[in-house]
Amino acid sequence: KAGVTQTPRYLIKTRGQQVTLSCSPISGHRSVSWYQQTPGQGLQFLFEYFSETQRNKGNFPGRFSGRQFSNSRSEMNVSTLELGDSALYLCASRLDPLAGAKVGNEQFFGPGTRLTVL
Amino acid sequence: GESVGLHLPTLSVQEGDNSIINCAYSNSASDYFIWYKQESGKGPQFIIDIRSNMDKRQGQRVTVLLNKTVKHLSLQIAATQPGDSAVYFCAENSRDSSYKLIFGSGTRLLVRP
Repeated sequence: KAGVTQTPRYLIKTRGQQVTLSCSPISGHRSVSWYQQTPGQGLQFLFEYFSETQRNKGNFPGRFSGRQFSNSRSEMNVSTLELGDSALYLCASRLDPLAGAKVGNEQFFGPGTRLTVL
Repeated sequence: GESVGLHLPTLSVQEGDNSIINCAYSNSASDYFIWYKQESGKGPQFIIDIRSNMDKRQGQRVTVLLNKTVKHLSLQIAATQPGDSAVYFCAENSRDSSYKLIFGSGTRLLVRP
């Protein structure tokens, strides 16, 4: 079974631009979460989607948004990019979005998209 | 605020020795904990998880111990191998139906040949 895939793997943008990142979850997984990873702040939760609805949201500004499609694939968008948005953006999927955190419902991460804002 | 942290930012061990990576969490409402391993250029890889109704859980060469009294979590790796070299993160989830992991800052494990 293929793992979580993310595209593109690397991206370079300039300040003020916007960017869209894509994530395909593991087949059968219905929940997709997004995280931002930076050396200074570590891994921080952005949001979680399932059934095409945002279920949880972290403490990020409204410039960060996402959506999920009926096939569970997800995209996240960052508008008006800032230098501080440079980070590794990680997508993770899990099987049962209604079961909560429990053994057997662990979350699996993709390789990430490395975004550099110049 | 609530946070998950690690005592040791870098741990260096001899190949074949056992490794112990520690993690302190501050949210007493957390009831689910996970250890992830992240190698350079890759996303975090699930290692093992544990719920708060357990004190210990074992996997292949790894054991997670949970001490709720002092809010401490540890990951033990037996017979550490060069392939174990990576950054290890602990993560917690609070006691509700949502799934919003809070990650620690990470510990780098270096395995000396």
